[in-house]
Amino acid sequence: AQSVAQPEDQVNVAEGNPLTVKCTYSVSGNPYLFWYVQYPNRGLQFLLKYITGDNLVKGSYGFEAEFNKSQTSFHLKKPSALVSDSALYFCAVRDGTGGSYIPTFGRGTSLIVHP
Amino acid sequence: DGGITQSPKYLFRKEGQNVTLSCEQNLNHDAMYWYRQDPGQGLRLIYYSQIVNDFQKGDIAEGYSVSREKKESFPLTVTSAQKNPTAFYLCASSPQTQSGDRYNEQFFGPGTRLTVL
Repeated sequence: AQSVAQPEDQVNVAEGNPLTVKCTYSVSGNPYLFWYVQYPNRGLQFLLKYITGDNLVKGSYGFEAEFNKSQTSFHLKKPSALVSDSALYFCAVRDGTGGSYIPTFGRGTSLIVHP
Repeated sequence: DGGITQSPKYLFRKEGQNVTLSCEQNLNHDAMYWYRQDPGQGLRLIYYSQIVNDFQKGDIAEGYSVSREKKESFPLTVTSAQKNPTAFYLCASSPQTQSGDRYNEQFFGPGTRLTVL
């Protein structure tokens, strides 16, 4: 079975400060990891993914994420937060080796960036 | 302009009534999914389909039904058997489902908000 944990329901950060949204995962085979963002009353938008290779993945809107195999984590980061980054963020994992191809999503983390 | 469309954006249902939510994609994706989103509960999988004329139940299929008669269309019917249908419903798609394509991300529609009156 695979699972994703987003330990923080809400993250608050001041505009211009760095932000981190945490994600840990559990999967039997090789993890394929994804981050999505959701603005109010909208669908999810893909931000970035880790499949293999460099542990630091760069994505849309200046976001990046660091894959840490030993800690089974895939935290989302941004060096300088914008008020417009305020949204709901979802981490997802897929087993890249076998089993079901259906991804498992975390419960989401609400990011609030204060002016 | 490729993507996924969902209609209607808002839908109101009376007690005992069946309603159908539309999902169409022009991305030529094989796989399509329906999720339900409730506050604080993330996304819960209702049904998914890997190929035309085939679909499987997800984690919360009771009270819902789907069809996949065309590659581009995956409508969801919320039946009167679903006792608490008020939620935000999201449709998604992704390319082929073979094991070698698991690196593909999902593409989501804009969602339909269903409210029971």
